[in-house]
This record gives sequence, C-alpha cells and structure tokens, in this order.
Amino acid sequence: DADVTQTPRNRITKTGKRIMLECSQTKGHDRMYWYRQDPGLGLRLIYYSFDVKDINKGEISDGYSVSRQAQAKFSLSLESAIPNQTALYFCATSDPIGPYPHEQFFGPGTRLTVL
Amino acid sequence: ILNVEQSPQSLHVQEGDSTNFTCSFPSSNFYALHWYRWETAKSPEALFVMTLNGDEKKKGRISATLNTKEGYSYLYIKGSQPEDSATYLCAHGGSQGNLIFGKGTKLSVKP
Repeated sequence: DADVTQTPRNRITKTGKRIMLECSQTKGHDRMYWYRQDPGLGLRLIYYSFDVKDINKGEISDGYSVSRQAQAKFSLSLESAIPNQTALYFCATSDPIGPYPHEQFFGPGTRLTVL
Repeated sequence: ILNVEQSPQSLHVQEGDSTNFTCSFPSSNFYALHWYRWETAKSPEALFVMTLNGDEKKKGRISATLNTKEGYSYLYIKGSQPEDSATYLCAHGGSQGNLIFGKGTKLSVKP
C-alpha cells in the first residue's frame, strides 16, 4: 500500500464550485505539504503544516485553504474554483529527523480541471 | 523567494550516452539541496539530499555533486538507459524543511 495517498486522482469541475482534495499518510510524519504543478513552472508550494495545530501559507496560497484534521490527514480546499486553478496537485510529507533531513515523500497527485 | 534554476530544460540522448544537468541556487543561507526523479504519471521520488559543500552522492549510475560556495549542483547519469527517462527536479531547502523547486530537466533516452 502507498504511504501517501490522494483522493480523488482526477476531478473535473466547473467554475465557482467548491472542491476538496484529500491527502492521507501512513508514514507517521508530522510535516505535510500541498504543491501544484503547472507545465513549465515546476512545483510550487501552496500550504504546509508542521503539526496538527500548525498551518502556514506557501508561495501561492490565494484562492486555497487547508485543514489538518489529524497527523495523518491534510486537506486542500478550493472555495470557488476558477479555470487557472487547473493543475496537477501533489501532497507530500517529511520528517525533520534522520540522515536525509526533510526528504519529501510525494503522493500520486490529483489532476484537477476547472471548466 | 529564492530562485532555483535548472538547465537544460530538456535533453534527448541515445542509450549508452552519459549526460549531466545543472542546478543553480542562491549560495547564501544554504541548508540543503535535494534532487528528485519524476517519471510521468508517478510521484516524484528523492534521489539525493546533500548538505555539505563538496558532497558527492552516488546511486547506481546516477551521481551528484554540490558546491555551496558558488551555488550549484550537478547531476550525472552514466550510460543512460531508456528507464532513466524522467524529469529531474532539484530543490533548495531551508532549515524549516520548505523546498523551493526548479522547473526541472526533462530527459528522454532513445533506445
């Protein structure tokens, strides 16, 4: 079983709809991240959380919100989706301790299309 | 925001060729440099995390070097194989664990 899972894997929605993307992990990591990937732009950080009570904005947080329901779960919401939020969304986790500090482990991605 | 630049943007090589890519990053306040391999339709996977100037890491035919004073890292692939085809991402990391990613180098290896 995958250590980091994302649901749904693909989603098509319409402008103005509220969308929630979910991420779950079994790695026991405290730190979780949401990124979006657009062609030619690399991965950009939307929000991150270092523990259940901690939420931080990333580079491109406008139009998004997050919820850290438990150590294992980190959800990303688009309150009112717009077409330029069409992208591939990745969730990731990391552990600050160990030989490779902050190596991030990625989920399979959610491809979101906003019409 | 720290800029991470990768070159080239894409690369086409023949099977058996050796190749290398470059990642450049601001040399001030350096903490860590990460390399990830991202195959189409899969999740990015970490190849190396490097923290010390002069670090060299190797995994099979893939190796990486790090120069923190001048702000660059090289990724080398010896004897490229079709299964090496992927996008290679580098990321500059801060002490808090946040990563700033470059746009990646897309490698295609023809049999």
